[in-house]
Amino acid sequence: AQTVTQSQPEMSVQEAETVTLSCTYDTSESDYYLFWYKQPPSRQMILVIRQEAYKQQNATENRFSVNFQKAAKSFSLKISDSQLGDAAMYFCASQVLGQFYFGTGTSLTVIP
Amino acid sequence: SAVISQKPSRDICQRGTSLTIQCQVDSQVTMMFWYRQQPGQSLTLIATANQGSEATYESGFVIDKFPISRPNLTFSTLTVSNMSPEDSSIYLCSVDLGLRTEAFFGQGTRLTVV
Repeated sequence: AQTVTQSQPEMSVQEAETVTLSCTYDTSESDYYLFWYKQPPSRQMILVIRQEAYKQQNATENRFSVNFQKAAKSFSLKISDSQLGDAAMYFCASQVLGQFYFGTGTSLTVIP
Repeated sequence: SAVISQKPSRDICQRGTSLTIQCQVDSQVTMMFWYRQQPGQSLTLIATANQGSEATYESGFVIDKFPISRPNLTFSTLTVSNMSPEDSSIYLCSVDLGLRTEAFFGQGTRLTVV
């Protein structure tokens, strides 16, 4: 079975600080993709970052980076220099054999 | 990328009635996906819609309750039938552009059944 687990229902971070959101996944497939999505109150799901499983190098997108530990099946998201606009629900997701699997989400609060 | 227009953005409906949600994509896509997101929860896949064939429903979802149309490669509708308060959720339309691309989402429809 394909599962994605986010063990932190809520997180908070001080503006300009760094926060790490955790995600673990389980799959027996060797070819898969991992994503972090952001869902602000507007409900629009926005892609934050993606990681191909075959790539060892951790993906980076400006202030967002991942720590991809393939053996441990861990895929955490680090947000640096947090901004008020980063406040949202963050979902970790995997794509396996064309289907997406989502975690239960982490609600991030940014404290001014 | 793909831009998805989903409407209505929100609606309040009486129990026992039906609501049809529309999803329009700015490019041709093979598969379109419909998700339900209950309050404070993650996304649950309802069904996958292919053009020219019947939708494939996930466990716990049936065609009589959630009929889906897919008349062409850029458009799909999801109907929530005979609604009850338990159907109050956000419904999201999604596409991807291939096996190894990210999913793109519509803006979601917030449905409240009273």
